Formats: sequence, C-alpha cells, structure tokens
Amino acid sequence: QQQVKQSPQSLIVQKGGISIINCAYENTAFDYFPWYQQFPGKGPALLIAIRPDVSEKKEGRFTISFNKSAKQFSLHIMDSQPGDSATYFCAANSGYSTLTFGKGTMLLVSP
Amino acid sequence: DAMVIQNPRYQVTQFGKPVTLSCSQTLNHNVMYWYQQKSSQAPKLLFHYYDKDFNNEADTPDNFQSRRPNTSFCFLDIRSPGLGDAAMYLCATSRVGQEVYFGPGTRLTVT
Repeated sequence: QQQVKQSPQSLIVQKGGISIINCAYENTAFDYFPWYQQFPGKGPALLIAIRPDVSEKKEGRFTISFNKSAKQFSLHIMDSQPGDSATYFCAANSGYSTLTFGKGTMLLVSP
Repeated sequence: DAMVIQNPRYQVTQFGKPVTLSCSQTLNHNVMYWYQQKSSQAPKLLFHYYDKDFNNEADTPDNFQSRRPNTSFCFLDIRSPGLGDAAMYLCATSRVGQEVYFGPGTRLTVT
C-alpha cells in the first residue's frame, strides 16, 4: 500500500517558470515531510522539510505548502533554472518510523 | 566535508560472488539505513539500525545482510548477488526523528 502519492511523474517547465510537485498522504500520524532532490548518479539530497505546525516554509526559491486537513503538501520552485533539472522525491514519517517515499517526479527545466 | 561516505562508489561483481559495501559517517548519528534504488524508482529501505538494534524490512531478501561494528561504520553484505541485485545502494543516517542524510551511493553492477 503506497502511503504517499506523488504527482506528476514528470514535468517540463520553461526557464523562469514555476515548478509545482504535489504529494498526498494517508497516514495521519505522519508529522515530518521532507523533499529530496536527486541528480543522476548521486544520492538524494535533503532540499527542504516541513512539520505540520506551519502551513508554509520557504527557503530561497523553494517553498513547501502544507494542507493538513486535505493531507496534501507540495513543492514550489520559483524562477526554475536548468540546474534544477533533477528527480524530486517527497517523503513522510512520524517519530521513530522510517521515511515513506513518493515515487518521484522527473523535472526538466528547458533553457 | 563529506558527512556520509560510501565506498566504493562503483563496484562490479560476478554473479554469485559475495560483495561488501561500506558506509561511514562523521555526524555521530545513532540511526543508519541501507536503501536499494533501481533506475527511475524511489529508494527502497532494506534495513536500519537504531544504535546496535537491527531492524530488517519484511521483504528484504535473506541474501542481504548488514553489520554495524560501531557508531560510525555500517556494512552491506550481499552473499550471492544475482542480476536483479544490480542497483544503486544508498547509505543514510539520522538522529531519531530528525533529518535523514544520504551518502553518494555505490553503483553495483553484476556480470
């Protein structure tokens, strides 16, 4: 049973545009929601994370929006750049549990 | 400075020939994880340690074993690699309930 559903599977955005990736979760016990960025041949890198006590967190061009009632969270990449082209994974966990990953979104930012 | 170090970065082994992958960390995290990641898929947790307490995922094949001799080091042993075990193997670390940091991965090829 997939507990974190991620969409879209792939995304093409023009340089300077906004990239939006969405995730939905089922387990209401989840209380930590990170996003990872992975370049080909590299390990996932923690990009930004949020806990449900806030509805939004921004770090530079990256913003997480969190909707607890809808059990959804999303990653927004403002002013997308070709260097942002990568695979993005959302994840969730709670307390002592391990991360549950979404299936990933391949982002291509065209020049 | 590298925080989660994996060696080797690339490993080629023959079908059925045992292989060991290593991971070390400079973060003094008490939790260490091993993930398997195949092309275009999310990382899949194989097992993890809380300190020396070993936790095996239910669907991890018996062919995969792990050792954690101390806080800093963790090893993944594949006793009889099959062609289907070719993948990227990711080591990760965290404190309990905190951010999870991944290493660069070891790309395993089985010939």
